[in-house]
Amino acid sequence: KAGVTQTPRYLIKTRGQQVTLSCSPISGHRSVSWYQQTPGQGLQFLFEYFSETQRNKGNFPGRFSGRQFSNSRSEMNVSTLELGDSALYLCASSSWATNSYEQYFGPGTRLTVT
Amino acid sequence: GEDVEQSLFLSVREGDSSVINCTYTDSSSTYLYWYKQEPGAGLQLLTYIFSNMDMKQDQRLTVLLNKKDKHLSLRIADTQTGDSAIYFCAESTSDYKLSFGAGTTVTVRA
Repeated sequence: KAGVTQTPRYLIKTRGQQVTLSCSPISGHRSVSWYQQTPGQGLQFLFEYFSETQRNKGNFPGRFSGRQFSNSRSEMNVSTLELGDSALYLCASSSWATNSYEQYFGPGTRLTVT
Repeated sequence: GEDVEQSLFLSVREGDSSVINCTYTDSSSTYLYWYKQEPGAGLQLLTYIFSNMDMKQDQRLTVLLNKKDKHLSLRIADTQTGDSAIYFCAESTSDYKLSFGAGTTVTVRA
C-alpha cells in the first residue's frame, strides 16, 4: 500500500506571496491532518479534514486555510507569506476507524520564505 | 488542556536498552503514540497504546503507561546505530488531533 505523499517536497517563496501544498492520503483513509514543524515551536496542529469537512482547527491565523476533495486528497494554502511561516509542513492520514487510530505522516514539504 | 513533556536528550551505548520518558496532562487522552524522526524525514509511527492498557510490546519496543501518574515510556531493547533519531511522544483526545512533546534526541554511541 502506498504511503502518504506530499508535493512539492521543497519550496522557496518570497514574503507576501501565497503557496499551496498538496497531500494524498493512504488509500482508504478519509481523514487528513496538517501540522507545522519549526525548531522554536515544535509540532503544531493546523487542521483536520474528514469527508471534505473540517472537524478541528488549531490556533493559526486566517492566512492558513485548507480543503479536502471528494477523493480525500487535501490542500493547504498560506496567503501573504511571512518569514515565520518557514517550516516543515507535515500531512497525516488516518482512518479513525474503530480499532484503528493510527496516524501516518508523509515526508513533509519544506517551505522557505525569504 | 494539553501539555506533553519529554526530556530533550538521551545518549546510550550500542547494545544497551534505551528508555525515553514522557508525561502528559490531559486525562481525557484516548491514545498515546511514539513517533521517530530521522534527519530530513517525516514522522514514522513506531507504536501506540490505548489509554486503558498499561503495556504493549512490539519486537524491540515496549511501551509502558501509568495512567494514574500520566506517564508514558518507550523502551528500545538492544539499541542500534540506526535507532539514532528524534523520538516524539504524542497524545490524542476526542478532537482528532495529536499534541506532541518537544522530542527526545537519542544518540547511540559505539
